[in-house]
Amino acid sequence: QKEVEQNSGPLSVPEGAIASLNCTYSDRGSQSFFWYRQYSGKSPELIMFIYSNGDKEDGRFTAQLNKASQYVSLLIRDSQPSDSATYLCAVSGLAAGNKLTFGGGTRVLVKP
Amino acid sequence: DAGVIQSPRHEVTEMGQEVTLRCKPISGHDYLFWYRQTMMRGLELLIYFNNNVPIDDSGMPEDRFSAKMPNASFSTLKIQPSEPRDSAVYFCASSLAGQIPPDNEQFFGPGTRLTVL
Repeated sequence: QKEVEQNSGPLSVPEGAIASLNCTYSDRGSQSFFWYRQYSGKSPELIMFIYSNGDKEDGRFTAQLNKASQYVSLLIRDSQPSDSATYLCAVSGLAAGNKLTFGGGTRVLVKP
Repeated sequence: DAGVIQSPRHEVTEMGQEVTLRCKPISGHDYLFWYRQTMMRGLELLIYFNNNVPIDDSGMPEDRFSAKMPNASFSTLKIQPSEPRDSAVYFCASSLAGQIPPDNEQFFGPGTRLTVL
């Protein structure tokens, strides 16, 4: 079992719809959770982080964390074609210093 | 700040040759990470440094791989001898020393696309 799991996709959503991405992790000691976006041929860039249970909103993005169930999700509202990318979930724990463990990524395709 | 700088951006070499990848982290960052990304295995952490000291090299695939950080502004990842299965995109990232975000956000360089023929 991988430490951080994501559905590889592709997740196809129509423009203007909500894209919902999920991520589960195995280490209960995990403290911080990150969502990175990676366009094809580019490097990952951070779009959201969360470390407390509940929801965190930033513009069209909402991250949701449930530590008891060991999952973190990302919602993209009003999806745009420019949101088409691979979204990487990453997890870190205090015991691991600043080390991040990445999931395999979910590819999102937003169709006009 | 210019961000994390990596060189070269593309490298094509022949099997058996030595390859050296270079990274300059963001000034003031305490941590430096080397990752490898392939379609099959995704983004894998190879090694990371804290204040120039290697902390965890458990991701280094084998003895052909080595990494150094002689000072706070420079790191190298060396593959000797290189093999076709080493073909991948190699990313360098850096971060501050904070335990929680945003202080522990990792900033990625543009990557080096390595092709070993």
